[in-house]
Amino acid sequence: KAGVTQTPRYLIKTRGQQVTLSCSPISGHRSVSWYQQTPGQGLQFLFEYFSETQRNKGNFPGRFSGRQFSNSRSEMNVSTLELGDSALYLCASSPWTSTYNEQFFGPGTRLTVL
Amino acid sequence: DQQVKQNSPSLSVQEGRISILNCDYTNSMFDYFLWYKKYPAEGPTFLISISSIKDKNEDGRFTVFLNKSAKHLSLHIVPSQPGDSAVYFCAANAGGTSYGKLTFGQGTILTVHP
Repeated sequence: KAGVTQTPRYLIKTRGQQVTLSCSPISGHRSVSWYQQTPGQGLQFLFEYFSETQRNKGNFPGRFSGRQFSNSRSEMNVSTLELGDSALYLCASSPWTSTYNEQFFGPGTRLTVL
Repeated sequence: DQQVKQNSPSLSVQEGRISILNCDYTNSMFDYFLWYKKYPAEGPTFLISISSIKDKNEDGRFTVFLNKSAKHLSLHIVPSQPGDSAVYFCAANAGGTSYGKLTFGQGTILTVHP
């Protein structure tokens, strides 16, 4: 089975712009979660989608949004970029077939905001 | 408020010896725990998990121990190999409506010397 894929792998934007990141989960996985990794804050949960519905959301401003399509692929969007949004953005998928579910991560998208 | 803590930023071990990575948590609602390994510029790779109904789970060279009363878990790697050198993260999930949300520790850098 192919793993979680994320595009693009690297992105450079300037302050005030917006960006869209894409994630394709492992085939058959219906849950997609997004995380932000920074040196100062570590890995922090952004949101989770299941069957095109956002089920959970972390403590991030409304500039961070996401969606999931019927084929389980997901996108996240960051509007009005700030310097502090520079981070590695990770997507993880899970089958969500039981109470306990491992998450499998993609390679991430490295976003640099100038 | 850091709910998952890895108090050792780094650990150095000789090849063939045991590596013990520790993790403490404060949220008593956490009922599922996972360990991930991460190389630079890659996403975290799932290693092993344990639910709160168990106190030990083993998979090859990796064993995770859970002490619920102490809110402490540890990952044992025996024997350690140079290829195990990476950053190790412990993560926790509260189940229930915490869909897809993993809370991560800050990570421990493991270096295994030949």
